[in-house]
Amino acid sequence: DGGITQSPKYLFRKEGQNVTLSCEQNLNHDAMYWYRQDPGQGLRLIYYSQIVNDFQKGDIAEGYSVSREKKESFPLTVTSAQKNPTAFYLCASSISPANTGELFFGEGSRLTVL
Amino acid sequence: AQSVSQHNHHVILSEAASLELGCNYSYGGTVNLFWYVQYPGQHLQLLLKYFSGDPLVKGIKGFEAEFIKSKFSFNLRKPSVQWSDTAEYFCAVISNQAGTALIFGKGTTLSVSS
Repeated sequence: DGGITQSPKYLFRKEGQNVTLSCEQNLNHDAMYWYRQDPGQGLRLIYYSQIVNDFQKGDIAEGYSVSREKKESFPLTVTSAQKNPTAFYLCASSISPANTGELFFGEGSRLTVL
Repeated sequence: AQSVSQHNHHVILSEAASLELGCNYSYGGTVNLFWYVQYPGQHLQLLLKYFSGDPLVKGIKGFEAEFIKSKFSFNLRKPSVQWSDTAEYFCAVISNQAGTALIFGKGTTLSVSS
């Protein structure tokens, strides 16, 4: 089935460690996104990429990094510089940048910093 | 700053009651508007969308929303809710400017009692 796969589903990390969340899509979508979901905060945009080898910062990019070396993959690294990394992370994609309003979401990755 | 505001953080209704969730945005220019829903334990999915044309749009499961440009609003409605409508609802907006991505409101949790 076509869709977006995020892994791992749950992840625990010690303070000071970097961690990379995987996002893979087989929908042949051009654009991909990372959002962070916190209770009462809704979804906040971290990074997005409209084409391969290009990406833009969202509203809360500090302490995160991404890469887009392949169309189907958009991994997110949560670095030790992120002051409050415990959250639920959602990856999404859309057919093209022109259609960026209609997103398809993965099931999310829950990161807990111990 | 561009933003999306959802007025109700938590709404509690009995089955068969009518529902209206408020959403206002502060974007200028042409916008595309969306409502997404997240049922317990499931991933986010599109409920309905407005791009242009008839400002009253209908979505899945009997939901509808009305775009009122003069009020910068896109309120979600359902005449008679069911227990299965218990979920978190997110309003989202994207402008027609290049290099932007979908911006979400903080969400409204709907609890429907049977």
